[in-house]
Amino acid sequence: DSGVTQTPKHLITATGQRVTLRCSPRSGDLSVYWYQQSLDQGLQFLIQYYNGEERAKGNILERFSAQQFPDLHSELNLSSLELGDSALYFCASSVEGEWSPLHFGNGTRLTVT
Amino acid sequence: DQQVKQNSPSLSVQEGRISILNCDYTNSMFDYFLWYKKYPAEGPTFLISISSIKDKNEDGRFTVFLNKSAKHLSLHIVPSQPGDSAVYFCAATSGTGGGADGLTFGKGTHLIIQP
Repeated sequence: DSGVTQTPKHLITATGQRVTLRCSPRSGDLSVYWYQQSLDQGLQFLIQYYNGEERAKGNILERFSAQQFPDLHSELNLSSLELGDSALYFCASSVEGEWSPLHFGNGTRLTVT
Repeated sequence: DQQVKQNSPSLSVQEGRISILNCDYTNSMFDYFLWYKKYPAEGPTFLISISSIKDKNEDGRFTVFLNKSAKHLSLHIVPSQPGDSAVYFCAATSGTGGGADGLTFGKGTHLIIQP
């Protein structure tokens, strides 16, 4: 158990809809990262938050947004969903101030029909 | 443009033998490299890492080798065990402190340990 909790585990929705994925980082970790894994693809970095502030952006679409709350949990909002957004979405957290590995949650599998 | 490449989608090895997983990268700014292991229905789990100032790092049965001039790293597992069957991801990052640039992952190699 990595200590990173993601909900829900599965999500099925229709094109054009909006969903919210939730992540609780490990206790004490201030950084939260979001990654997307599509079929036959590696994990693509989307965005990072540190202590409530956006720290780095990767290949995140404009239809997607994220935030980190004062209690350090994070939400990834996906809107105007398309079939191609179907993927596994992983959240990870890490300790800031020293380089340390990212610890991943078990992911949310999003299916857009 | 893939900056981290794992050219073998799958690898089959007999139990007890050595497993060697390979990874190539193109970005010369990468200075920290990691291997993650992933079982189905679980998130990736950190396995071992290496800084660009080293060329080898060992942790039990796992050893990572880094060849900076060739921009190549490899993961050796000796001896291979059935529980090692999983997808292995190579990842790299540049910058310091908390991986602020995010990790760049390869597409993974599915390692199958045959009894």
